[in-house]
Amino acid sequence: EAGVTQFPSHSVIEKGQTVTLRCDPISGHDNLYWYRRVMGKEIKFLLHFVKESKQDESGMPNNRFLAERTGGTYSTLKVQPAELEDSGVYFCASSPWTSGGNEQFFGPGTRLTVL
Amino acid sequence: AQRVTQPEKLLSVFKGAPVELKCNYSYSGSPELFWYVQYSRQRLQLLLRHISRESIKGFTADLNKGETSFHLKKPFAQEEDSAMYYCALSGRGSNFGNEKLTFGTGTRLTIIP
Repeated sequence: EAGVTQFPSHSVIEKGQTVTLRCDPISGHDNLYWYRRVMGKEIKFLLHFVKESKQDESGMPNNRFLAERTGGTYSTLKVQPAELEDSGVYFCASSPWTSGGNEQFFGPGTRLTVL
Repeated sequence: AQRVTQPEKLLSVFKGAPVELKCNYSYSGSPELFWYVQYSRQRLQLLLRHISRESIKGFTADLNKGETSFHLKKPFAQEEDSAMYYCALSGRGSNFGNEKLTFGTGTRLTIIP
């Protein structure tokens, strides 16, 4: 079974440009999470989808970030316009909906560099 | 607010020696605690969680509610244990089991041959 996949693996863009990251969760997983690790800091939560609905977007840094999950399948995270501080590794994770004790399965991450 | 603290950014241990990676947490209720690991060139993966009370790859972790700690231990370190280790917490809100993870800053463990 394929795990969580993310595209691209690396992206280098200039400040002010737009970048779209994609995540394909494990098939059948209703939960989809986005996290970010900025250099030297902890992995921080961005938002959580349950199927196509945003369950929690409390971690989104500002309105330059827009996440969607079309039809409850794959998800995209768009940064527009990108700023220098957006550089980091963006992780996607998925898990099935459960009543407790759930493991999140992580993708390999997308390394974003904003110059 | 929930918070996870891993006081050691780097930890070097000789092969065969005991390992302890420290983790303390702050949460107003009864959280669920995890240890995730990232080996070189691999993705982040679950190592163990307190609710399972398992021993994985020789590692154990006990939740101490009095000290709000969830330290990871292994009696005899092996070279393949070298990796980045993250302690994480999940709340027990209305979506228990489906909540976001709050991570610590991670500890890079290096096993010296």
